[in-house]
Amino acid sequence: DAKTTQPPSMDCAEGRAANLPCNHSTISGNEYVYWYRQIHSQGPQYIIHGLKNNETNEMASLIITEDRKSSTLILPHATLRDTAVYYCIVRAQTGNQFYFGTGTSLTVIP
Amino acid sequence: DTEVTQTPKHLVMGMTNKKSLKCEQHMGHRAMYWYKQKAKKPPELMFVYSYEKLSINESVPSRFSPECPNSSLLNLHLHALQPEDSALYLCASSQAVQGPMNTEAFFGQGTRLTVV
Repeated sequence: DAKTTQPPSMDCAEGRAANLPCNHSTISGNEYVYWYRQIHSQGPQYIIHGLKNNETNEMASLIITEDRKSSTLILPHATLRDTAVYYCIVRAQTGNQFYFGTGTSLTVIP
Repeated sequence: DTEVTQTPKHLVMGMTNKKSLKCEQHMGHRAMYWYKQKAKKPPELMFVYSYEKLSINESVPSRFSPECPNSSLLNLHLHALQPEDSALYLCASSQAVQGPMNTEAFFGQGTRLTVV
């Protein structure tokens, strides 16, 4: 039931901003966009979420387009420890489900 | 405490064995989840418990049997598994909310299961 599309892989130079796109064109009005990352088969780690406004926390920024059909996760200064698979998730409107899409494998290059 | 604890971390079991995976959280969360993750694939939702009741079963074979004995504990009982069931099994929890889905889920580190 994944409702998101992400590029399978991306590279980013260390110290530069990493911009990870996500398409969620079928998102409904009250469905939130969540971002998680998973480092080398550890448990997924929560990064950020939003509904329609841009959000920022200590880890990242989330930019959601006005029509809410896509979003971008921004890691402002990527480090080698940010190498991971990043998942964009649209949380189901009913119930408590988090369905993962295929994710983007981000490699931060020294 | 924002931790979801899963035990054991690793498990090897034969196809005729019965074993259980355990998940525990003390965040007061009332929604708990089991996911299965094969290598290089995203986590796949298996079960969702809400207020200790099974609310979602994603057509999981009956050789996987979940149990939620109380609000802090979630078990996954395993019986007669196949080698293709070898995977990382992840547990997660979140607040069970009505209305907007505005709270994150916290994941454990998983149990790496090998069926021989």
